[in-house]
Amino acid sequence: NAGVTQTPKFQVLKTGQSMTLQCAQDMNHNSMYWYRQDPGMGLRLIYYSASEGTTDKGEVPNGYNVSRLNKREFSLRLESAAPSQTSVYFCASRATGTPSYEQYFGPGTRLTVT
Amino acid sequence: GENVEQHPSTLSVQEGDSAVIKCTYSDSASNYFPWYKQELGKGPQLIIDIRSNVGEKKDQRIAVTLNKTAKHFSLHITETQPEDSAVYFCAASNGNAGKSTFGDGTTLTVKP
Repeated sequence: NAGVTQTPKFQVLKTGQSMTLQCAQDMNHNSMYWYRQDPGMGLRLIYYSASEGTTDKGEVPNGYNVSRLNKREFSLRLESAAPSQTSVYFCASRATGTPSYEQYFGPGTRLTVT
Repeated sequence: GENVEQHPSTLSVQEGDSAVIKCTYSDSASNYFPWYKQELGKGPQLIIDIRSNVGEKKDQRIAVTLNKTAKHFSLHITETQPEDSAVYFCAASNGNAGKSTFGDGTTLTVKP
């Protein structure tokens, strides 16, 4: 049981390049989330997926797109990377329909845009 | 939307002392208040949570209190140990909707 996994762990992009961050969970959770974490700040929600087939914008969605590929996988795409998107990105998942509201986080992807 | 403020941003204590971190929230519809611990280079991990129908919850050296009227909640760590050193985040959410708003974090340092 690996929990939430993210790839890659580190990435350096040039301004204007595109890339997709991958996230997968093996806990059969319905809900999945993408956050970004900037120095000295908490986690800010980019997009979330309450269930397979649905996605919704969070607090800071501009410049990002997401795909809920299936129940296990939720990817985050940067179409044209900008230096302001330099951050650590965390994926999380959560069960629904259970007493627990706990979110389980992956180890993060550290992205630098030059 | 929800706004969560967390204080202090840094906290340094001697081993064995207590540490208290406080958060306030703005949305009266929030009903779930988790606390996460983040160690260097890792993702946040839940350490304790409380729901709006409970005023206090304790788990060994960690406790959380909630004042719904004042819209604030606090994390209390007693008998601190060096391994408690980490960044701690509070959050508030409407548990059913699943979206959480996080505070900016508190860096706790426990000096041996």
